[in-house]
Amino acid sequence: GAVVSQHPSRVICKSGTSVKIECRSLDFQATTMFWYRQFPKQSLMLMATSNEGSKATYEQGVEKDKFLINHASLTLSTLTVTSAHPEDSSFYICSASRGRATEAFFGQGTRLTVV
Amino acid sequence: GQNIDQPTEMTATEGAIVQINCTYQTSGFNGLFWYQQHAGEAPTFLSYNVLDGLEEKGRFSSFLSRSKGYSYLLLKELQMKDSASYLCAVMDSNYQLIWGAGTKLIIKP
Repeated sequence: GAVVSQHPSRVICKSGTSVKIECRSLDFQATTMFWYRQFPKQSLMLMATSNEGSKATYEQGVEKDKFLINHASLTLSTLTVTSAHPEDSSFYICSASRGRATEAFFGQGTRLTVV
Repeated sequence: GQNIDQPTEMTATEGAIVQINCTYQTSGFNGLFWYQQHAGEAPTFLSYNVLDGLEEKGRFSSFLSRSKGYSYLLLKELQMKDSASYLCAVMDSNYQLIWGAGTKLIIKP
């Protein structure tokens, strides 16, 4: 099967610091990776779509300078939350797909708490 | 605009059958996905339909009618571990996934 590993699963950071979340496809090449944010009891909110080697496409309302996404290889994408604030506390989930019109496989998610 | 509708919550009995419906209006269609999500965890893939008809996979089946913009997920022989949220997602003409809000399924003994 296709495995996507997301790390860390939980992180607590101080307000004003930056946090990096990694998303790796372990047994397939992910041409596209997606980053989502999910609030309690709500559905997934797409933040950005990243294709290997090109700049990420951010959804409306998502600050690209605050949520830095790098998709440097076909197996790794990173999301960096810069100058984190308590309102950035959320569940962040990545997913990866082999290509268009194929299922996306999700990482385990990262619960970020900013104190 | 693009829209995915599914019931907010459903309750069913262990051992029974439940059908979770999903209707959609999207800009183009490149397939419909069902995912299961347990509380506090990431979603896991259940099924993918791109042609009309029923796809069966063990206790789970998924149906699609493109002309009606309608899909359902059928869960048979319900088990307590099936208590979760079930997310319907449609891939639009730009190959973007449009997500429903999810249906919380509660299984009672």
